[in-house]
Formats: sequence, structure tokens, C-alpha cells
Amino acid sequence: EPEVTQTPSHQVTQMGQEVILRCVPISNHLYFYWYRQILGQKVEFLVSFYNNEISEKSEIFDDQFSVERPDGSNFTLKIRSTKLEDSAMYFCASSEVSDTIYFGEGSWLTVV
Amino acid sequence: AQSVTQLDSHVSVSEGTPVLLRCNYSSSYSPSLFWYVQHPNKGLQLLLKYTSAATLVKGINGFEAEFKKSETSFHLTKPSAHMSDAAEYFCVVSNFGNEKLTFGTGTRLTIIP
Repeated sequence: EPEVTQTPSHQVTQMGQEVILRCVPISNHLYFYWYRQILGQKVEFLVSFYNNEISEKSEIFDDQFSVERPDGSNFTLKIRSTKLEDSAMYFCASSEVSDTIYFGEGSWLTVV
Repeated sequence: AQSVTQLDSHVSVSEGTPVLLRCNYSSSYSPSLFWYVQHPNKGLQLLLKYTSAATLVKGINGFEAEFKKSETSFHLTKPSAHMSDAAEYFCVVSNFGNEKLTFGTGTRLTIIP
């Protein structure tokens, strides 16, 4: 069964450093997403991406965050200058149409 | 605006007994409703979804959920719990056609041998 894959599974970074989280969505999917889950809290929507542009973003997704689909298969989330409060599990997801969304296994980011 | 309330943060049942995980939703439009499961150190797996078709939805691993508009509920059930069902379960809502999912706080299901 096709699946969304994410790398790295776990990354530790120093505060202020840039981080790029990578995702390979399911191949025929057109919609791409990033969600995050801070330890002990709800899963929260960050951003959705369609037709090579952001279609919706949450208030969490500020200027420190950016997304890109650099080569037609990868979908990346960049955090320019990480803060301690960015420590979370980041989930990439994709969907063929906008109703059934499939998630990857997540990238656990620890900012120290 | 849309929101989800999962009424129990933790549910414990004995193996072989029924499971009931409760969820109430709020949505301004015709909602799509989902249950996702997260096993320890794993990602979010779709269990089942409701998108305005049959109100009783069957999912994977013997789970099902019933959409009740009058009660704004979408409770998840399973007739007989298995040890492998131990996980965190999330009730999720989106407005039909909207890409953004809103998650509940999750219910941790523990299975007692």
C-alpha cells in the first residue's frame, strides 16, 4: 500500500539553527500538508499546499516557516531559526482529493 | 468554525469486551468526520471516515462509527477488544471540501489482559 514517508525520523538541533524536514507524499496525490503535535497536546494544522502554492496556513505558520516542493516528488518544511517551543512531532500528509488525508510516521524535532 | 470534543482522555477495557470511544463535534457546514489511530512511536493511521454517505461507517480492524446529526456525535465502537487495539485514538472533523483537519485531544485506549 502506498504511504507517505518522512525523513529524518528524529532530529536534535540547537536553538537558532535552520531545520529542513522532508516528506515524499503518495505519488498521485495533489494536496500536501504539515501538521505538528507538541508533546501532550493536540495535533495542530500548520499549512496546506496545492498547485505549487500555499492554500491555507494557521497562525502558527509564521515567517519562520516555509514549505517547498522542489522537484515534483519531495515536499519540505523549513524552520529558519528554531526555538525551544518548536520541539514537536511534525507530520507530513497528502491527499488525492481534499477529504481523505494520509499521514506519514512523523519527524520528531527536539530543539535544545 | 469547527471543533471536536473527545469526552474521555483515557478508556480501559478488558480484552474481549466492547470498546466505546466518544466524540462530539461542532461544524458550521456539512462535516466530514474521521477517526485516526496512533500506536506508540508510530504515525497517524486512518481508521474510518464519514463524508455524508451512510451514517454507519465501517473501518479497519473491526471498528465502526455512527454519525448522529441530532446528537452531533460520532462515537467509535468495536464489539470485542484485542490487545493490539491499545493506542491513542483521535476524532477529527473537517468541513466538507475543506482541507484543514481539526483534531480532538485524543483518547488513550488501554486493554487489560
